[in-house]
Amino acid sequence: EAQVTQNPRYLITVTGKKLTVTCSQNMNHEYMSWYRQDPGLGLRQIYYSMNVEVTDKGDVPEGYKVSRKEKRNFPLILESPSPNQTSLYFCASKRTSGGRTDTQYFGPGTRLTVL
Amino acid sequence: SQKIEQNSEALNIQEGKTATLTCNYTNYSPAYLQWYRQDPGRGPVFLLLIRENEKEKRKERLKVTFDTTLKQSLFHITASQPADSATYLCALDIQAGTALIFGKGTTLSVSS
Repeated sequence: EAQVTQNPRYLITVTGKKLTVTCSQNMNHEYMSWYRQDPGLGLRQIYYSMNVEVTDKGDVPEGYKVSRKEKRNFPLILESPSPNQTSLYFCASKRTSGGRTDTQYFGPGTRLTVL
Repeated sequence: SQKIEQNSEALNIQEGKTATLTCNYTNYSPAYLQWYRQDPGRGPVFLLLIRENEKEKRKERLKVTFDTTLKQSLFHITASQPADSATYLCALDIQAGTALIFGKGTTLSVSS
């Protein structure tokens, strides 16, 4: 089954404790992206990657890091989480060989709480 | 700054009626616009895409229109069913396919 998977699905942590949220896709997509979703603010892009070793900032990159060492994986790293990073996080991927109009496939989400 | 607005946070309709959701944007000329469905606690799911040179797109009970002069898209669900209850998001391509900007969504409730 074609899908984007994220782990963990739920995470409660404390301020300053480094964490990584993993994202993996099995569709051989070149493009991957991370979003956060907050009430009243909607979905906002954190980082995206056009291909292996190519990453760029989205609208809200502060406090986050990413890496793209393999095509299928795009982990999101919070080096020193803070309470304002409590949110629902989504990973997404899409094919880029078809051009701009390829649709994004979203993962199931990771609900992060930083105390 | 670029702005995308979905005109209502919530829309309540009766089963069998047509639901119409609106997406307005400013300060941008997107090449295409997408509509997604999102159920509580789940990731958005793609529904329809409409390009700037298309006036209308249909898929089963769904219809999307795109008026680049008004900078507006309308999303219609005909013969609505309780199973259509969800949040619907519109999204614009703003950076040559590298970024989508999303509206905040409209939550549709269809009562039987």
